[in-house]
This record gives sequence, structure tokens and C-alpha cells, in this order.
Amino acid sequence: DGGITQSPKYLFRKEGQNVTLSCEQNLNHDAMYWYRQDPGQGLRLIYYSQIVNDFQKGDIAEGYSVSREKKESFPLTVTSAQKNPTAFYLCASGDFGNTIYFGEGSWLTVV
Amino acid sequence: GEDVEQSLFLSVREGDSSVINCTYTDSSSTYLYWYKQEPGAGLQLLTYIFSNMDMKQDQRLTVLLNKKDKHLSLRIADTQTGDSAIYFCAEKMDSSYKLIFGSGTRLLVRP
Repeated sequence: DGGITQSPKYLFRKEGQNVTLSCEQNLNHDAMYWYRQDPGQGLRLIYYSQIVNDFQKGDIAEGYSVSREKKESFPLTVTSAQKNPTAFYLCASGDFGNTIYFGEGSWLTVV
Repeated sequence: GEDVEQSLFLSVREGDSSVINCTYTDSSSTYLYWYKQEPGAGLQLLTYIFSNMDMKQDQRLTVLLNKKDKHLSLRIADTQTGDSAIYFCAEKMDSSYKLIFGSGTRLLVRP
């Protein structure tokens, strides 16, 4: 099936740990995105990438890092510098036709 | 500047029409999107419209764009209980990959 796959669906992080969320797409899209959603709130952009080996900071990039070594993959690392990482993380991808699709999301909880 | 605003909550009776409103501020050529989010899930792309269009219809969904007032609306005809969800309006400039979201409107459909 074509689409965007995020894993894991649920992840628990201990204080001081780095964790990585996976995002893979087989839609042949150039652009990929990471958003954070807090309960009852909208989406805030963390990072986005328009092309392989290039990415830009969004509005809340501090404490996060990304890589784009392959067109289909855009992993997000939540570092220990992110002081309040508990949230719902959404990955998306889009093309020049301006359709942008989302994955099913990953829940990250600090324990 | 970039800002997208939505009302927070809408309640309708099953079978009635729902109208969800959104205002945006960017005056550049832009794409405007409507997404639906069910509890604990990712965002589902419902429809989108380019800023040179006034209206777009897709089955029960009608999007109206008032460019002068920078006002976008989503009308859902014959609203069903399965339409209960959060609806997000989003804006993307034609020259950019960055997608800006409103805070979402929670639609509750009463039997």
C-alpha cells in the first residue's frame, strides 16, 4: 500500500535519553515534515525537508534533530535537550502538486 | 505575517449542515487545505483549494473562499455522527513548502 508509515506508535522515554521516531514514505514525495501536537492544541512545525540532504528548522526546532539521507525516510530524534517532549508527533510528506499527507502519528511519553 | 485562525467548537444536529470557518492573513498566492483528525489518529486530507478559485465541491463537502476578506469555509452537507472530529484549516504559500495550521475546530454531531 502507498502511504506514510510512522513507528513506533507509542514510545516511552526516560529522563536524559535520546529517542528516534521513524517516518517512511513510498509516495515518491520530495518534501517531508515533522509536526508536534499537544493535547487540545494545533500543530507546530519542528523541521521540514524539501530535498535529500537538506532540511530547515520550523518554529520549535530546539531539542530536536533530523536527517534526510534518503528520499523516503525522515527520522526525528528527540534529544535530552527537549525539556517537555511528551506529545503526539506527526510526520507528513508532499509533492509539487501540493497534496500533503500525514502518517498516523507517534505518541511519546516521558517517564 | 502568517496566521490562521479558527473557531474552537461547533455543535450540530445529525442531518443538518455544518459550516466551519477559517481566516488567514497571507496575501500571497497560496493553497488552503482542510484536514480531519479523529481521536488519536493522524490528519486526513479532505480537500484543498488554490487562492485563484472561489469554490470547490466534492460530494458532501463544499469549500468557499472569499479572497477579499481572507475567509475560508468548509460546509458539510447532511452531517453524520461519523463526521464528529477536529477539523484543521491550513495555508501554504505557492513558493514555499511550509504548511501553517489553525488551532482546529472540534465538531460535535448530536443524534
